[in-house]
Amino acid sequence: GAVVSQHPSWVICKSGTSVKIECRSLDFQATTMFWYRQFPKQSLMLMATSNEGSKATYEQGVEKDKFLINHASLTLSTLTVTSAHPEDSSFYICSARGGVQYFGPGTRLTVT
Amino acid sequence: SQQGEEDPQALSIQEGENATMNCSYKTSINNLQWYRQNSGRGLVHLILIRSNEREKHSGRLRVTLDTSKKSSSLLITASRAADTASYFCATAGSGNTGKLIFGQGTTLQVKP
Repeated sequence: GAVVSQHPSWVICKSGTSVKIECRSLDFQATTMFWYRQFPKQSLMLMATSNEGSKATYEQGVEKDKFLINHASLTLSTLTVTSAHPEDSSFYICSARGGVQYFGPGTRLTVT
Repeated sequence: SQQGEEDPQALSIQEGENATMNCSYKTSINNLQWYRQNSGRGLVHLILIRSNEREKHSGRLRVTLDTSKKSSSLLITASRAADTASYFCATAGSGNTGKLIFGQGTTLQVKP
């Protein structure tokens, strides 16, 4: 089946720094990718829709200047958490649309 | 925003028993999907049921959909310890955006 990868799988950063998370569709092209955030023991919350070659569409309440999304190619979308704070610590999951959605393994971000 | 609720929030059963999880949603949908997530990992797609379908089977999984009640159920028969995971329903809206809205999830524990 289709594979979506994320890198890194986990990252620890200091408060105030920026962190970039990559999401790649490995064996199919994805014009649309999605970014989700999941807090411990909670469900996935859709953050934004990443569209190849155009601006991302953010869900209500998600700060676009804090969570920068770049979908520069048909196989790569990146999420940059800028000026990270401890409350940004979470599990970030991307998915790529190829018929059904294929999910990446997630990236655990810890901000100290 | 979350689409709806799942119940129960947690379910603990013995190996060999059946597990039933329910999902309710609020808006009209194109399809409803069920996903599985092992602790701290990405999501695995289990089954998709379209809005014009009422029931679907896949191996030990049986999904029903009642659009008049805006609800769905996932039945896992003859459960195994390896079925221990969190299960989420997710709805795709009537527009072709590909966006999925997730339910709160049910945590299933199958005791050997």
